[in-house]
Amino acid sequence: QKEVEQNSGPLSVPEGAIASLNCTYSDRGSQSFFWYRQYSGKSPELIMSIYSNGDKEDGRFTAQLNKASQYVSLLIRDSQPSDSATYLCAVNTGGFKTIFGAGTRLFVKA
Amino acid sequence: EAGVTQFPSHSVIEKGQTVTLRCDPISGHDNLYWYRRVMGKEIKFLLHFVKESKQDESGMPNNRFLAERTGGTYSTLKVQPAELEDSGVYFCASSPGTSGGREQFFGPGTRLTVL
Repeated sequence: QKEVEQNSGPLSVPEGAIASLNCTYSDRGSQSFFWYRQYSGKSPELIMSIYSNGDKEDGRFTAQLNKASQYVSLLIRDSQPSDSATYLCAVNTGGFKTIFGAGTRLFVKA
Repeated sequence: EAGVTQFPSHSVIEKGQTVTLRCDPISGHDNLYWYRRVMGKEIKFLLHFVKESKQDESGMPNNRFLAERTGGTYSTLKVQPAELEDSGVYFCASSPGTSGGREQFFGPGTRLTVL
């Protein structure tokens, strides 16, 4: 079992729709959860971090964490073509080592 | 504020040669990390420095890889001798001393191709 699992996609949504990206993790002791966006050929860019159960909203992005289910998600409202990228889920178990998922490719169709 | 920088951006070498990658973290960031992404796979942790000390090098694949951070500023990652499977993108990231590993800032990466 992979430590952090994501559906590789591609996930295709029309412009203006809600994109829902999901991630599960195996280490129940995980404490910090991150979503990074990576455009092709570029470095990962942190877009959301979440540390406690529930929802965290930042602009068009909402991160959701459910530690009991070991599940974290990212919702992108009013999706734009510029949101087309690979979204990486990353988990930190309390030390400094961050475990990444393989990423979900998102395409937003104009 | 300058971000994390890496040099070179691309490197093409032959199997058996040596390559040294460099990372300059964000000024004042005590934590420096090396990651690698092999094509089609997830980004994998290699190691973590706090200042000049190696805190966790559990992700280093083998003893052909040597990372240093003399003086606690920039870091180098040397691969000697390089093998075909070392090809990939090597990312460096940094974070402030108080962040506890949270919210790492990534450099643009070095794309290494071993022929």
